[in-house]
Amino acid sequence: AQSVTQLDSQVPVFEEAPVELRCNYSSSVSVYLFWYVQYPNQGLQLLLKYLSGSTLVESINGFEAEFNKSQTSFHLRKPSVHISDTAEYFCAVSFPPPHYKLSFGAGTTVTVRA
Amino acid sequence: NAGVTQTPKFQVLKTGQSMTLQCAQDMNHEYMSWYRQDPGMGLRLIHYSVGAGITDQGEVPNGYNVSRSTTEDFPLRLLSAAPSQTSVYFCASSLRGTGRSYEQYFGPGTRLTVT
Repeated sequence: AQSVTQLDSQVPVFEEAPVELRCNYSSSVSVYLFWYVQYPNQGLQLLLKYLSGSTLVESINGFEAEFNKSQTSFHLRKPSVHISDTAEYFCAVSFPPPHYKLSFGAGTTVTVRA
Repeated sequence: NAGVTQTPKFQVLKTGQSMTLQCAQDMNHEYMSWYRQDPGMGLRLIHYSVGAGITDQGEVPNGYNVSRSTTEDFPLRLLSAAPSQTSVYFCASSLRGTGRSYEQYFGPGTRLTVT
């Protein structure tokens, strides 16, 4: 059975400090990987995705994630966070085929403090 | 485009009542799905549909019904509400098939409380 594990439920961090959110998955087949962000009282928005190709993917707001097939991980990083990055972050995996069914991790709440 | 819309935003039900959560999208997406979000559990798939007239069960389907008569709409019905169904419900949609972006677009959610 496939599963997604986010290793940290809460991550407090100071503004301008780096942050890493860890995500591991288990699967016997190749997968597609996603990070979604949920700001307070809102729906989920796609932050970035890995489908194929370069194992390092970047978002437009400074986040990056690296797919590591041997470690079955897809950790999310940002070198310098802002107060506005306070949100809940979800790692998600889709298993082929079909790729549109997502399995989510439990989420990591990032709280950025001044 | 309005994207994915959900109504109502908030709802309080008594145990045993029934209701329908509405979801609509205007992006001509084939795939639509319903998730519930509970603290510490992430999002869990309730039901999904790959096109009009086609639905299937997800991870936690018990107590919920769906139908898909049009591409745009995908309502979720609670047949007899129970306190365990207190949750935030999200509808999502996406394109399907190879070569697509596989991005799912989420609605703003419905916060349901069953007393």
